[in-house]
Amino acid sequence: DVQMTQSPSSLSASVGDRVTITCRASHDIRRDLAWYQQKPGKAPERLMFATSTLDGGVPSRFRGSGSGTAFTLTISSLQPEDLGSYYCLQYNSYPYTFGQGTKLEIK
Amino acid sequence: QVQLMQSGAEVKKPGASVKVSCGASGYTFIGFAMNWVRQAPGQGLEWMGRIDPRTGVTNYAQTFQGRVTLTTDVSIATAYMELTGLTSDDTAVYYCGRGNLSFGPWGRGTLVTVSS
Repeated sequence: DVQMTQSPSSLSASVGDRVTITCRASHDIRRDLAWYQQKPGKAPERLMFATSTLDGGVPSRFRGSGSGTAFTLTISSLQPEDLGSYYCLQYNSYPYTFGQGTKLEIK
Repeated sequence: QVQLMQSGAEVKKPGASVKVSCGASGYTFIGFAMNWVRQAPGQGLEWMGRIDPRTGVTNYAQTFQGRVTLTTDVSIATAYMELTGLTSDDTAVYYCGRGNLSFGPWGRGTLVTVSS
């Protein structure tokens, strides 16, 4: 199985800050990675797939990068509505696996 | 628009089974796989498996192999997840999610509580 190691597990940042979350895969997953945002009490929503392709309606302040085993989600200018948890998902091989999640708080 | 409507919350006793439904609308049901993911209270996301409604082919996470069965009823555009041999560790919100590779959107989730 591909293990996804996500860091940090939590972070607190101020509005306007640049925020970076990373995921490392135990095996090469090419660019078969998606990022999800989960707001408190809600179902997760996909932000992007294929590492960097934004889903419709996702603000351009969200950016994904990487390939192989190292991936990054960057929020260029943090907004209050970005609070929640973020998860990466590899879908290169079965079983699909998620990172452990990053809980993002707004200072 | 694409909508996934999941069945309501369930309370089950240990050893019982639960079957959660996910009704799809707004797209061609057989055109996309359906994935199932669960989230225990305060925990992260765990992929359980997926089914291709066109072929019936399933892929399961080894963790659930033998206990989970994914099915679909194409005539009513509905996917089902059945989990047997429930224990308290199976208390979680269960989500369905549409997608052939990564998946989205997701249903709102179904809370399954296992308690004696």
